Amino acid sequence: DIQMTQSPSSLSASIGDRVTITCRASQNIGTYLNWYQQKPGKVPRLLMYATSNLQSGVPTRFSGSGSGTDFTLTIISLQPEDFATYYCQHSFSPPLAFGGGTRVEI
Amino acid sequence: QVQLVESGGGVVQPGGSLRLSCAASGFTFSSYGMHWVRQAPGKGLEWVANLRYDGSNKYYADSVKGRFTISRDDSKDTLYLQMNSLRAEDTAMYYCAKEGCINGVCDPYFDYWGQGTLVAVSP
Repeated sequence: DIQMTQSPSSLSASIGDRVTITCRASQNIGTYLNWYQQKPGKVPRLLMYATSNLQSGVPTRFSGSGSGTDFTLTIISLQPEDFATYYCQHSFSPPLAFGGGTRVEI
Repeated sequence: QVQLVESGGGVVQPGGSLRLSCAASGFTFSSYGMHWVRQAPGKGLEWVANLRYDGSNKYYADSVKGRFTISRDDSKDTLYLQMNSLRAEDTAMYYCAKEGCINGVCDPYFDYWGQGTLVAVSP
């Protein structure tokens, strides 16, 4: 089974900062990597699919890159509404798996 | 607009059973693969199970294999999760999620989620 490891598990940042979150797969998953945002008490929201494709309605300050086993989610200029937990998820083959999450806080 | 509404959660004793439902609307349910994802209190997301659009393939996380069964009734636009032999570690919010498709090509990422139904396994 493919394991997903995110780093860091949490980070502190300020408004306007550039933030980078890393996700590593335990084996080659091509570009079958997706990112979600979850705010406390809320349902997860799809941000990015297939590594670098922005979901409709997601601000362009979010971007994704990578392939194979190493991926990144970048927030170019952090906004107040971006403070949340971010999860990566591989969609290479079942069983699917999420990373452990990265909490972005002030 | 796409809507997914889960129901059927509640408090159950260890070893008990529950059946979760997810009523879908706003899209052609029979054309999409569907998934269950859960989140234990204060913890991260865990994929549980999925079912192809045509019901031909079902997949499960190792943690639920042999105890949970995913199914669908396209005539009712409803997804189900039958949960048997429940354990304390199954306590979680259970979300149903729709698979994403672009130009007819589908991939198991989750573009729409329900609000979730809470399952608590406790003596």
